[in-house]
Amino acid sequence: EVQLVETGGGLVQPGNSLKLSCATSGFTFSTAWMNWIRQTPGKRLEWLAQIEDKSNNYFISYLESVKGRFTISRDDSKSSVYLQMNNLKEEDTAIYYCTWAGLYWGQGVMVTVSS
Amino acid sequence: DVVLTQTPVSLSVTLGDQASISCRSSQSLVYSDGNTYLKWYLQKPGQSPQLLIYEVSNRFSGVPDRFIGSGSGTDFTLKISRVEPEDLGVYYCFQATHDPPTFGGGTKLELK
Repeated sequence: EVQLVETGGGLVQPGNSLKLSCATSGFTFSTAWMNWIRQTPGKRLEWLAQIEDKSNNYFISYLESVKGRFTISRDDSKSSVYLQMNNLKEEDTAIYYCTWAGLYWGQGVMVTVSS
Repeated sequence: DVVLTQTPVSLSVTLGDQASISCRSSQSLVYSDGNTYLKWYLQKPGQSPQLLIYEVSNRFSGVPDRFIGSGSGTDFTLKISRVEPEDLGVYYCFQATHDPPTFGGGTKLELK
């Protein structure tokens, strides 16, 4: 059974940082392209970042509006993908999902940015 | 960025009816390899989105055949024949042909 479990969310003040983790099982993680997607309080879905697999040199792409603040990474030995979020803004408040190429999604983790 | 416009925003149906949702793109979604990377998702209340259809018309594993995706270029449709209670929720279209990938605004399917 495919499983993706996000952790690391919470309440942070504007300007602070947070690192999300996504632990996976049930599929061959080392060849999987992984994504982070978020859902705003208004239910809008927004693709944030993708990291490809080793055969594609772990190519990374970002949504322009988070480039330079968010960093996606992976650890194939732990079947996990991460999202480091720096200089957080109130508009980053959302549920954050990791997905395996959009095929399977985790349950999501809430990030609230507020003073 | 590619804008995906879904209509209607909400749809009230009777169980057993057919439902139809439209997704119109601001640009053609045909990729240079000839494929069209258009997906449909359903988000049930309190759950994560789940994949229904990929590449316009291919049903994902375990998706019932009452879900039918069609379309080409810029116009796409998801039809649900014989709506069942577990089909209620919000439907999203999604394109990965152009960077960045983008979602439609969603269509809420509810009971009349």
